[in-house]
Amino acid sequence: DTAVSQTPKYLVTQMGNDKSIKCEQNLGHDTMYWYKQDSKKFLKIMFSYNNKELIINETVPNRFSPKSPDKAHLNLHINSLELGDSAVYFCASSQGIAGSTDTQYFGPGTRLTVL
Amino acid sequence: AQSVAQPEDQVNVAEGNPLTVKCTYSVSGNPYLFWYVQYPNRGLQFLLKYITGDNLVKGSYGFEAEFNKSQTSFHLKKPSALVSDSALYFCAVRDWGANNLFFGTGTRLTVIP
Repeated sequence: DTAVSQTPKYLVTQMGNDKSIKCEQNLGHDTMYWYKQDSKKFLKIMFSYNNKELIINETVPNRFSPKSPDKAHLNLHINSLELGDSAVYFCASSQGIAGSTDTQYFGPGTRLTVL
Repeated sequence: AQSVAQPEDQVNVAEGNPLTVKCTYSVSGNPYLFWYVQYPNRGLQFLLKYITGDNLVKGSYGFEAEFNKSQTSFHLKKPSALVSDSALYFCAVRDWGANNLFFGTGTRLTVIP
């Protein structure tokens, strides 16, 4: 069984479009995250939700909006896509809050390409 | 402020030889340290972590890491490298009380048959 899953795996779209990436975890964890990995493989946190409540919001353009309908899901919606948004986006989850010692478990990633 | 450095972008090692992937960190409090591995076109997989206690931490796939407080290091090691260990390795740190995990820039390990 997949612990943290993301859809789609690949997303190719035109500049200016709006797109969403979905994430689900079946680990029963309370906290979920979105990370962005750029072309140089640098991994940076974007958002974190704990029990559907936003607790981390790094410096990310307003075009990015996370939505957590329940604690098992954290979706990422991106408006007006730009070339610089091209990256691999990883979802992750952990049992406790973001400041705990709990391990984060990552999904397989969504490779977004903006043309 | 927290930061983590992986000084080597690339490490090459012959199969069967010991391997080391280096990581140094900077935190204001007590560090929580993690190692993850990323295989091509895959997500990050957790290898091991140091929270407290024994400085030598053992993890998955025969990997281990040694926490050295005086040198602020957390190097990843394995006694005998396998070709299948070839991947991208990330060190990460969380400062006590901080909300997020801060990742290093990654080290690409290539094990040569």
